Amino acid sequence: EVQLLESGGGLVQPGGSLRLSCAASGFTFSNYAMNWVRQAPGKGLEWVSGISGGGTSTYYADSVRGRFAISRDNSKNTLYLQMNSLRAEDTAVYYCARDVNAYTYGDFDCWGQGTPVTVSS
Amino acid sequence: QSALTQPASVSGSPGQSITFSCTGTSSDVGGYNYVSWYQQHPGKAPKLMIHDVSNRPSGVSNRFSGSKSGNTASLTISGLQAEDEAEYYCSSYTSSSTRVIFGGGTKLTVL
Repeated sequence: EVQLLESGGGLVQPGGSLRLSCAASGFTFSNYAMNWVRQAPGKGLEWVSGISGGGTSTYYADSVRGRFAISRDNSKNTLYLQMNSLRAEDTAVYYCARDVNAYTYGDFDCWGQGTPVTVSS
Repeated sequence: QSALTQPASVSGSPGQSITFSCTGTSSDVGGYNYVSWYQQHPGKAPKLMIHDVSNRPSGVSNRFSGSKSGNTASLTISGLQAEDEAEYYCSSYTSSSTRVIFGGGTKLTVL
């Protein structure tokens, strides 16, 4: 069974940092692009970042470019999101999502349960 | 990069067919066949219903179908059921600096 399990969310002050993790199981992790998608309270979905299956290509939404960094460890079947210079508007549930392709094209066929991030003083 | 345009809400009765629209530009929906549709029930993670405009993942009911014309993609649900009541989001690959964009979502109410 394909599973994605996020962790690392929590409460952080504005300007602070947080690192999210997503542990994958049930599939050949390196064959798929992986992504982070967030959803602010009561709002819609927003794609945040993606990384190719081999880890050589990374992509970012304009809203987080320069502050967030996506990475993956294919030997550990784990995806990461390093979030720096956090702002109140980064408050959201962050989902880990698998793309059906080896590169990010927006076809997210498997999602984790989400981890909440709250940026507040 | 602006979000794709979706109506805020639609409603229908059980057994009816209903169509959702998702309007973008030639840089996203109109230019590529990477349009997906997601169903999200309250408090749950989104579920992929359609990818690559009209492909249905295994396990998704054949009551769900997708299509595209120009810069507008559509999701049709036939034989509406109470369990279909949810929020529906479209997404598309985009040639802009932001690689993937979502629509604002459409709330489906089954009367």
